[in-house]
Amino acid sequence: GAVVSQHPSWVICKSGTSVKIECRSLDFQATTMFWYRQFPKQSLMLMATSNEGSKATYEQGVEKDKFLINHASLTLSTLTVTSAHPEDSSFYICSEWRVNEQFFGPGTRLTVL
Amino acid sequence: AQSVTQLDSQVPVFEEAPVELRCNYSSSVSVYLFWYVQYPNQGLQLLLKYLSGSTLVKGINGFEAEFNKSQTSFHLRKPSVHISDTAEYFCAVSPLGQAGTALIFGKGTTLSVSS
Repeated sequence: GAVVSQHPSWVICKSGTSVKIECRSLDFQATTMFWYRQFPKQSLMLMATSNEGSKATYEQGVEKDKFLINHASLTLSTLTVTSAHPEDSSFYICSEWRVNEQFFGPGTRLTVL
Repeated sequence: AQSVTQLDSQVPVFEEAPVELRCNYSSSVSVYLFWYVQYPNQGLQLLLKYLSGSTLVKGINGFEAEFNKSQTSFHLRKPSVHISDTAEYFCAVSPLGQAGTALIFGKGTTLSVSS
């Protein structure tokens, strides 16, 4: 069964609004989770590393004030896309490590109109 | 730093034919190696991984891969493909001993199986 869940699986929003995506670790305490972004027909690009109880580490070129990450508990990390624009439309995937293997959530498809 | 090159962006093949998806990596340290499959609008599913030991790794759905340290390659193979194998395949690496670090992915290979 799934070990990482994401919610919602699909979201459509208007330009300028904010959207929150949840990533939950099932039956495991994940101190570190990762957020990736995948544009159509492209590979996964790491956006940020989410650390429980501390600030996230963002990759170069990712706006930390636009993509807010909160890892308030060992089982939940959230990504909030603030003031979303059409260019933020993408597939967002979270993941976590468990014993030499990285498990991925099912992804969230964000469409900004 | 590490990098991954998937040599073929698209691989068309007929059902029941063999297939090889090629992956080369670059790293100054030893790495863990992975192959993932992604079906449309879904997350990634692990096919197989190489951590250490035997260089021939067997995974799910009849796939296998061979680690070649001298050629820094980790090619994925299947002796007979099915229509259901049509998907996107990603090769990825992680620095050995740094299991908490993010994976570095190749650009992906689209496998299209037709009858």
